[in-house]
Amino acid sequence: AQSVAQPEDQVNVAEGNPLTVKCTYSVSGNPYLFWYVQYPNRGLQFLLKYITGDNLVKGSYGFEAEFNKSQTSFHLKKPSALVSDSALYFCAVRDLGGSYIPTFGRGTSLIVHP
Amino acid sequence: DGGITQSPKYLFRKEGQNVTLSCEQNLNHDAMYWYRQDPGQGLRLIYYSQIVNDFQKGDIAEGYSVSREKKESFPLTVTSAQKNPTAFYLCASTTGHNTGELFFGEGSRLTVL
Repeated sequence: AQSVAQPEDQVNVAEGNPLTVKCTYSVSGNPYLFWYVQYPNRGLQFLLKYITGDNLVKGSYGFEAEFNKSQTSFHLKKPSALVSDSALYFCAVRDLGGSYIPTFGRGTSLIVHP
Repeated sequence: DGGITQSPKYLFRKEGQNVTLSCEQNLNHDAMYWYRQDPGQGLRLIYYSQIVNDFQKGDIAEGYSVSREKKESFPLTVTSAQKNPTAFYLCASTTGHNTGELFFGEGSRLTVL
């Protein structure tokens, strides 16, 4: 079975400060990991993914994520937050060779204060 | 432009009525999904389809039905058997590879009056 945990319902950060949104996962095999962003009353938009290779993955809008196999984590980061980054962020996982269906976390609301 | 189109954006329904939500994609994707989103509960899978004329129940399929007669289309019917249908519904699609990210529509918000 595969699962994803986003331990924080909400993250608050001041504009210009670095941000981190946490994600941990559990799979039986090798993971495929994804981050999505959702603005109010909109669909989810893909930000970045880890399939294999370099543990630091760069994505859209200046976001990046670090894959840590030993800690089974895939935290989303950005060096300098913008007010416009305020949104709901979802982490998702697929198990290589396992279920075709991605499992999503419950989401983390990011609030960037001016 | 390629993408996924959901309609209607907003829908109001009286209790006891069936409603159908449309989902069309022109991305040539094989797999399509329907999710339900409620505040604080993340995304819950209703149905998915990996190929035309085949679909599978997700975690919360009761009270819903789907069809996949064409590759491009994956409509969702919310039946009167669904006890709490008020929610935000999201359709998504992806390629046939496990590494592919999902592409989402803009969602349909259903409110039962």
